[in-house]
Amino acid sequence: EPEVTQTPSHQVTQMGQEVILRCVPISNHLYFYWYRQILGQKVEFLVSFYNNEISEKSEIFDDQFSVERPDGSNFTLKIRSTKLEDSAMYFCASSDLPTASYGYTFGSGTRLTVV
Amino acid sequence: DAKTTQPNSMESNEEEPVHLPCNHSTISGTDYIHWYRQLPSQGPEYVIHGLTSNVNNRMASLAIAEDRKSSTLILHRATLRDAAVYYCILRAPNYGGSQGNLIFGKGTKLSVKP
Repeated sequence: EPEVTQTPSHQVTQMGQEVILRCVPISNHLYFYWYRQILGQKVEFLVSFYNNEISEKSEIFDDQFSVERPDGSNFTLKIRSTKLEDSAMYFCASSDLPTASYGYTFGSGTRLTVV
Repeated sequence: DAKTTQPNSMESNEEEPVHLPCNHSTISGTDYIHWYRQLPSQGPEYVIHGLTSNVNNRMASLAIAEDRKSSTLILHRATLRDAAVYYCILRAPNYGGSQGNLIFGKGTKLSVKP
């Protein structure tokens, strides 16, 4: 069964450093998403992406965050200057279509620890 | 997306059926009912979705009330691997080219006892 692949599985970074989280969505999917989950809390929507541009973003997704599809397979989330409160699991997801008649496929996540 | 209400937690015995309820009294006529689950230390996983009719797939069944104000996810024979947080999510259809997004609540934490 096709999978969404995320790397690295765990990243530790110092406060103020830039991090890039990588995702390889399912190959024929066109819509991509990032979510995050702070330990013990809900899964929160960050951003959706289609046709090389952001479709929607949440209030969490401020100027410190950016997304990119640098080539035909990768989808990245960059945090420019990490803060302690950015420590969380970050999940990438993709879908065939964004409509409610389709489901999302999520990756296993990257655990980001900011120290 | 309209709001859903789920119990915080439920317990089940292995190999017995599990019925996970979800109330969505403010559902609109075009909202789809989606269920996802999240196993410990993993990303959310799509389980099933429906609009009006009951649905079955290899993972579960979804029973939708006639007035659509509630639904029930049915796991026919719970296994230890089914211990997870189960999320009931309403999604409006996306018309006009705009994307919606999946909004997660707190879900129901299902424990399965051997």
